[in-house]
Amino acid sequence: AQSVTQPDIHITVSEGASLELRCNYSYGATPYLFWYVQSPGQGLQLLLKYFSGDTLVQGIKGFEAEFKRSQSSFNLRKPSVHWSDAAEYFCAVVANSGGYQKVTFGTGTKLQVIP
Amino acid sequence: EAGVTQFPSHSVIEKGQTVTLRCDPISGHDNLYWYRRVMGKEIKFLLHFVKESKQDESGMPNNRFLAERTGGTYSTLKVQPAELEDSGVYFCASSHTRTRSPSYEQYFGPGTRLTVT
Repeated sequence: AQSVTQPDIHITVSEGASLELRCNYSYGATPYLFWYVQSPGQGLQLLLKYFSGDTLVQGIKGFEAEFKRSQSSFNLRKPSVHWSDAAEYFCAVVANSGGYQKVTFGTGTKLQVIP
Repeated sequence: EAGVTQFPSHSVIEKGQTVTLRCDPISGHDNLYWYRRVMGKEIKFLLHFVKESKQDESGMPNNRFLAERTGGTYSTLKVQPAELEDSGVYFCASSHTRTRSPSYEQYFGPGTRLTVT
């Protein structure tokens, strides 16, 4: 069965600093990987996704993620964090299950941005 | 286009009581999913509807949980009787059509925070 690990529960960065959120996955086949963000009072919003091709994927709000098969990782990055990026971030892997997709999430990383 | 909506946003009930959560998916979305996040843990899949049929309910924790999707539109998730360990945030998501491609996107609602005391 697939699994996702987000080793950092809570991260604090200064506004304007760079950010990297770690994600490691376990899946027997080619993974389909996602990053979601949840701002307070909001639903989960898709930031970006990887299926195949270029291992560096661009998402919304200036985020990007790099798929590294050798390390089973899909880390999320942003060069300069804004105060509005404070939220909880979830990495997820999608597996085909009987023709339908089942999403497995990590435990999430809460991002705090300080002025 | 309206997004996925969930009601209520927050519910506080006593152990042994019954609670019903509602999810309205995006109009036209055949697939509807329920997920749950217990505090401090990952978001876990509960079940999946395709229209009014349960496609996969392997994540339902026990028979105190009952999900329905009347006419393939909105869905309800009933917990009866509620236990302390049922506390958490319940998310609903929907996606457009049945597809074998993983390139679809599930659109999530804001969640219902359930607190059982």
